[in-house]
Amino acid sequence: AQSVTQLGSHVSVSEGALVLLRCNYSSSVPPYLFWYVQYPNQGLQLLLKYTTGATLVKGINGFEAEFKKSETSFHLTKPSAHMSDAAEYFCAVRNPLDMGRRALTFGSGTRLQVQP
Amino acid sequence: GAVVSQHPSWVICKSGTSVKIECRSLDFQATTMFWYRQFPKQSLMLMATSNEGSKATYEQGVEKDKFLINHASLTLSTLTVTSAHPEDSSFYICSARVKTGQGQDTQYFGPGTRLTVL
Repeated sequence: AQSVTQLGSHVSVSEGALVLLRCNYSSSVPPYLFWYVQYPNQGLQLLLKYTTGATLVKGINGFEAEFKKSETSFHLTKPSAHMSDAAEYFCAVRNPLDMGRRALTFGSGTRLQVQP
Repeated sequence: GAVVSQHPSWVICKSGTSVKIECRSLDFQATTMFWYRQFPKQSLMLMATSNEGSKATYEQGVEKDKFLINHASLTLSTLTVTSAHPEDSSFYICSARVKTGQGQDTQYFGPGTRLTVL
């Protein structure tokens, strides 16, 4: 079984400030990890994902995340927040050995607010 | 990128009626589609996994007779909420899985359908 914990249901930053959204996972095997963004009344858009290889993953809109196995973490960062980054962010995990369902397990989400 | 559409985007219905939600992969074939529901300010919870041409696999606690899933083709899956009740009001999101080679795959999400049962 696997699970995802997102610390902080709400994060507020000033425009131009560093964005840090935390994600920790629990998995019996090295997982695949994902970050999705959801704008109001819309579906999810993939920001980035880690499967294998380089542990620092760059995604769209200037976001990146680093897989740290020792800390079981996959925190999402962006050097400088923009107003358009305000949204709900979900961390998700998938068991790469699950060749059947291949479904994602999502964290509870973090709402990012960007103050002008 | 790949596009997944859902129809309708929102629906309001009376208690006791049935509602059908369509999920289509517009420019690719999806062997597997997933249905999630999302309550306000909560995360997505997987309801069922739908494979083309076979019966859906439901998650524990999801009533298969209430949430009927049909995956008739590689581009279409439907979710029918039968005898809907106010507690079924939620945001329903589908995703479609596409193989990207070398054993990898990607899920693309639809924009969601907001169901309100009066």
